[in-house]
Amino acid sequence: QKEVEQNSGPLSVPEGAIASLNCTYSDRGSQSFFWYRQYSGKSPELIMFIYSNGDKEDGRFTAQLNKASQYVSLLIRDSQPSDSATYLCAVNVGSNYQLIWGAGTKLIIKP
Amino acid sequence: DTAVSQTPKYLVTQMGNDKSIKCEQNLGHDTMYWYKQDSKKFLKIMFSYNNKELIINETVPNRFSPKSPDKAHLNLHINSLELGDSAVYFCASSSHLGTIYFGEGSWLTVV
Repeated sequence: QKEVEQNSGPLSVPEGAIASLNCTYSDRGSQSFFWYRQYSGKSPELIMFIYSNGDKEDGRFTAQLNKASQYVSLLIRDSQPSDSATYLCAVNVGSNYQLIWGAGTKLIIKP
Repeated sequence: DTAVSQTPKYLVTQMGNDKSIKCEQNLGHDTMYWYKQDSKKFLKIMFSYNNKELIINETVPNRFSPKSPDKAHLNLHINSLELGDSAVYFCASSSHLGTIYFGEGSWLTVV
């Protein structure tokens, strides 16, 4: 069974600090990795995707991928209350457009 | 303009009824999906169509039947609704693996 695991949280971070969200996956053949943000009562929206080992930065967000350890993370710098949401990790499996989703980590940024 | 639109947004119905949820995307994407998100917030794929052809059909009861009249539309029909079908159903589309755009969701409550 191919799996994607995330700590469900909630993860509480003070405003202005760095929030670190983690995700592990079981399929060594996975090539594409995605982070989505979902506000309560809303649909998931794509924040970042990463394909290669290392870091990828976009504004306050940095995705980090380590394929050897089967680990992908999302760092949010200068956390804002508006970052409070559930963050979903998704990983591709196979060649039929299928993603496996983690259960999400609920992030709370405290003013 | 809404990229992925689905209707209705809210649906309350009795057990045993048949209902449909409609979805349309104006992004020109080839692939469309139906996802189910239950009360525990786990996002699970139900179906995926690529250019009107079914490519993913997860273990979903036969009471759920998708229909794709063209690549911009993917509707979901549910027969003989059960209490356990209560969930949020998201329609989504993507142009290549992983960059998925979600509709606003349809909140289905079976009473």
